This record gives sequence, structure tokens and C-alpha cells, in this order.
Amino acid sequence: AQTVTQSQPEMSVQEAETVTLSCTYDTSENNYYLFWYKQPPSRQMILVIRQEAYKQQNATENRFSVNFQKAAKSFSLKISDSQLGDTAMYFCAFGMNTGNQFYFGTGTSLTVIP
Amino acid sequence: DTEVTQTPKHLVMGMTNKKSLKCEQHMGHRAMYWYKQKAKKPPELMFVYSYEKLSINESVPSRFSPECPNSSLLNLHLHALQPEDSALYLCASSLLREGETQYFGPGTRLLVL
Repeated sequence: AQTVTQSQPEMSVQEAETVTLSCTYDTSENNYYLFWYKQPPSRQMILVIRQEAYKQQNATENRFSVNFQKAAKSFSLKISDSQLGDTAMYFCAFGMNTGNQFYFGTGTSLTVIP
Repeated sequence: DTEVTQTPKHLVMGMTNKKSLKCEQHMGHRAMYWYKQKAKKPPELMFVYSYEKLSINESVPSRFSPECPNSSLLNLHLHALQPEDSALYLCASSLLREGETQYFGPGTRLLVL
């Protein structure tokens, strides 16, 4: 079975600063996919970034980047130049290469302080 | 267009009522999902439909009955719910390829009295 762990239930960061959210996972699979989703208060869950496990290069999307360490089974999200709109719950998710099921972590509630 | 729509946005129902939640996508996705989400918790998978056929049922009580009438539409029929079923119900869809991103709708916030 796959498990995803987010060890930081809550975090805060000053506006314009950088913050890193951690995610670790456990799997015996070699091919899989990892995701960070953002869910602002009372708003829709949206994809932040996606990483394919067979790619060594870390994914980036504008101010968002990941540090993917396959051997350590670690997938952290770095948010640079934090903005007030980044305040949200962030969920790390693991997707198998077969089937359609995602395994979600417990989430990290991030608050950006003006 | 990466939009998944859900109706209604909010729903209040009594324990003897029958109601339905609706989800729609026009992205050509052939996988559709129902999740239940409690406040400050991750989504919990309930059902997965692949090519309009139920492929995963995560031991959900029979008072929840999913239906996929066509490739764009997903319903969740509710009957005789309990107060503990109050939650945000999320629909998602994706392409049927490995590792595809799931696109989520805004959810229906359900309150069972």
C-alpha cells in the first residue's frame, strides 16, 4: 500500500519570503507520479505542480518548484516570493502508473502574513 | 477548458430525503471520481468510473449511489443519509492514462440534519 506523509499541519510565511512544504511517501513501485494540489479557503482544489518519478529533473511552475529525492522518497514544495493568494491548504498526492487512484497526504495549512 | 462543474453548490437535507449531486465535464475525460472531504482533511475517494463503468467502490455505504449516464456526466444519488455524512463532496475527472492529473470541481457542501 502507498502512504503519503505531510509532517507540517500548519505553516506561516511572511509575504515575499520563501517557504518549503515537506512531503514523504512510501511505495514499492518504481514508476509513479507525484502532485501538489492547492485548496484555498472555500475554493476549488487546483493543481500546483506535477512530477514524474522517472524524470530526474525537478518540476517548476513559475514561483513553485519541487525538490524530488526519489531514493529518500521525498517530494517537497518550495514557494518563492510568497503572495497573499498562496494562503491555502496544500495536499501532496501520489498517483500510481496503473489505475486511477490518488493517495493524498493529510495536508499543510499555509498562511501568508502581510 | 479545464473546468469541472458541480451542482448544487450547497445542499441541506433531512435524513429521510432523496437528493442528487451532479457533476459535468467537457474535456473528453473518460475517468470520473467522487470524493468526500471533511474540513481540514484530505479528500477520501468514494467511487471511480472508467469509460462510464464503475471501476472502484471504496466500500461506500449503499445510501450513496453513483451513476454515470454518459462520458460527460456523473451523478451521486443520496438517500437516508446520516448527519455524519455532512461534508464537501468533490467530483474530479482525468484522462485515462497513467499519472494523469485529476481536475476537481468546486464541490457541493452538504449538510444533513
